[in-house]
Amino acid sequence: AQSVAQPEDQVNVAEGNPLTVKCTYSVSGNPYLFWYVQYPNRGLQFLLKYITGDNLVKGSYGFEAEFNKSQTSFHLKKPSALVSDSALYFCAVRALTGTASKLTFGTGTRLQVTL
Amino acid sequence: IAGITQAPTSQILAAGRRMTLRCTQDMRHNAMYWYRQDLGLGLRLIHYSNTAGTTGKGEVPDGYSVSRANTDDFPLTLASAVPSQTSVYFCASSPIAGSPDTQYFGPGTRLTVL
Repeated sequence: AQSVAQPEDQVNVAEGNPLTVKCTYSVSGNPYLFWYVQYPNRGLQFLLKYITGDNLVKGSYGFEAEFNKSQTSFHLKKPSALVSDSALYFCAVRALTGTASKLTFGTGTRLQVTL
Repeated sequence: IAGITQAPTSQILAAGRRMTLRCTQDMRHNAMYWYRQDLGLGLRLIHYSNTAGTTGKGEVPDGYSVSRANTDDFPLTLASAVPSQTSVYFCASSPIAGSPDTQYFGPGTRLTVL
């Protein structure tokens, strides 16, 4: 069975500083990895995904994520955080169940960016 | 561009009552999904549909049923609601089942069962 771990419930960072939100995964075969962001009282929005190719994936709003196969990690990063980045972030891994594309989500990490 | 719409936005329901959460997408996506979001548990898949006319069970299907009569609509029904079904429910869709497509999410329905 596949799983995703987000070890930090909350990450606090000052505006302008770099941020990292951690994610590790477990899946049989090649992983397809996703990051989603959820703003208050909203649905999840897609940020970026890793399918194959370059280990560094660039996504929306200046976010990027680095796939590390040996460490089974897919940490989300941004060089300079903004207050508007404050939200709930979910890492997800895709596994194939029958013919369904099943995403398994982590429990989420709340990012708080302060002035 | 509407994307995915869900109704109602929120609902308070007495235990034992029947409730249908509606989900409609206008992107002509083949695959659709229902998740529930609970604090500390992330999102868990309830049911999914690869294409119109087919459905499947996800991680937490008990107490829920779905139907997929056409491409656009994917209603979720609670036949007899219980307090443990208090949650925020998200509908999602993706272009093709069985591929690493991005899933697109609706705004959610907040359901409280008393």
